[in-house]
Amino acid sequence: SQQGEEDPQALSIQEGENATMNCSYKTSINNLQWYRQNSGRGLVHLILIRSNEREKHSGRLRVTLDTSKKSSSLLITASRAADTASYFCATGPDTGRRALTFGSGTRLQVQP
Amino acid sequence: EAGVAQSPRYKIIEKRQSVAFWCNPISGHATLYWYQQILGQGPKLLIQFQNNGVVDDSQLPKDRFSAERLKGVDSTLKIQPAKLEDSAVYLCASSLAVHPWQFFGPGTRLTVL
Repeated sequence: SQQGEEDPQALSIQEGENATMNCSYKTSINNLQWYRQNSGRGLVHLILIRSNEREKHSGRLRVTLDTSKKSSSLLITASRAADTASYFCATGPDTGRRALTFGSGTRLQVQP
Repeated sequence: EAGVAQSPRYKIIEKRQSVAFWCNPISGHATLYWYQQILGQGPKLLIQFQNNGVVDDSQLPKDRFSAERLKGVDSTLKIQPAKLEDSAVYLCASSLAVHPWQFFGPGTRLTVL
């Protein structure tokens, strides 16, 4: 079953604008990861934040994590047309098992 | 380094037929995963291997799905017999034991008619 939900389900913005996607999850986690999926392709890992971290940056990406609210957000700054893709959050459990549980994804469209 | 390889990329079959997918993970990656991604949804884990042993197959429909990982490298996922609801993209991923992130292959898009 899906771990949580992502919001919004779809987002359309202009090039240069910022895009914010939110993810909620249900169980205790060890880490939370964000992946990008271009149409017809596999998923690409973007960034990982551990349960004891609150914010992390990587290039134009900023991720926040609030474990008390069981939620995370992904901010893409100065978006480009090439950022058009689906974005998924995935949670890594706090048990020994390593498999990820994915959210339902946000489809981002960046208009040139 | 070479990525995760999957074949075929596309497959169209009729219901009740059988189908097999192949995955070659990144060299040295001990952990291999098969996911099912239905259109408009996130990937759902089917089975996880650590070397050639099964770690988690709790969501694998074992009456029709089977998977194996010979010699701890390549893996095959089989569906027999296929149902209409098996139409999806089947993704293979691999990871190093020390890292929690995964590398995905391009997937196999299965259409069951």
